[in-house]
Amino acid sequence: GAVVSQHPSRVICKSGTSVKIECRSLDFQATTMFWYRQFPKQSLMLMATSNEGSKATYEQGVEKDKFLINHASLTLSTLTVTSAHPEDSSFYICSAPDRNRYEQYFGPGTRLTVT
Amino acid sequence: EDKVVQSPLSLVVHEGDTVTLNCSYEVTNFRSLLWYKQEKKAPTFLFMLTSSGIEKKSGRLSSILDKKELFSILNITATQTGDSAVYLCAVDWGTGKLIFGQGTTLQVKP
Repeated sequence: GAVVSQHPSRVICKSGTSVKIECRSLDFQATTMFWYRQFPKQSLMLMATSNEGSKATYEQGVEKDKFLINHASLTLSTLTVTSAHPEDSSFYICSAPDRNRYEQYFGPGTRLTVT
Repeated sequence: EDKVVQSPLSLVVHEGDTVTLNCSYEVTNFRSLLWYKQEKKAPTFLFMLTSSGIEKKSGRLSSILDKKELFSILNITATQTGDSAVYLCAVDWGTGKLIFGQGTTLQVKP
């Protein structure tokens, strides 16, 4: 079946630094990918839609200059958390829909801790 | 405002019990409703529902959608400790974007 990978699975960084998270679709092409964030004991919240070949669209309240998204190819989207702060510590999950967008394939997630 | 509401938020049962999890939604564009199971990592897919009244089954789990009343239920029969997890309900707007409910935390005691 379709597989979506994320790298790294876990990262710890210092406040003020930037962190890049990669999301790859391994056996299918994804013109669109989605980035979600999940705080402890909360549900997944959509952050942005990553579009291959065009700018990402961000959900209300998500700072586009802080969370930089680049959909470099049909199989890779990256999320860069710039100038990270402790409140950015969260579980970041990407997903990619299949061609008919009837099922979402989730990556395994990246746990970010900002100290 | 589009929203998905799950109930109960948490549930504790004993092995062998049957549980019913609820999900109601209000969205302007509906394509499908999805159920996921999450155990300390990314969600794993359980069911996708698009039509009213058609029950989907997978082992001890089953789910059904009522598009008139805008809700879905997820049933788990003969629960096992391995069923302990957070169960998430999400609605697909039709663009692939998912709106998630708060989740129901299920704990199954031996």
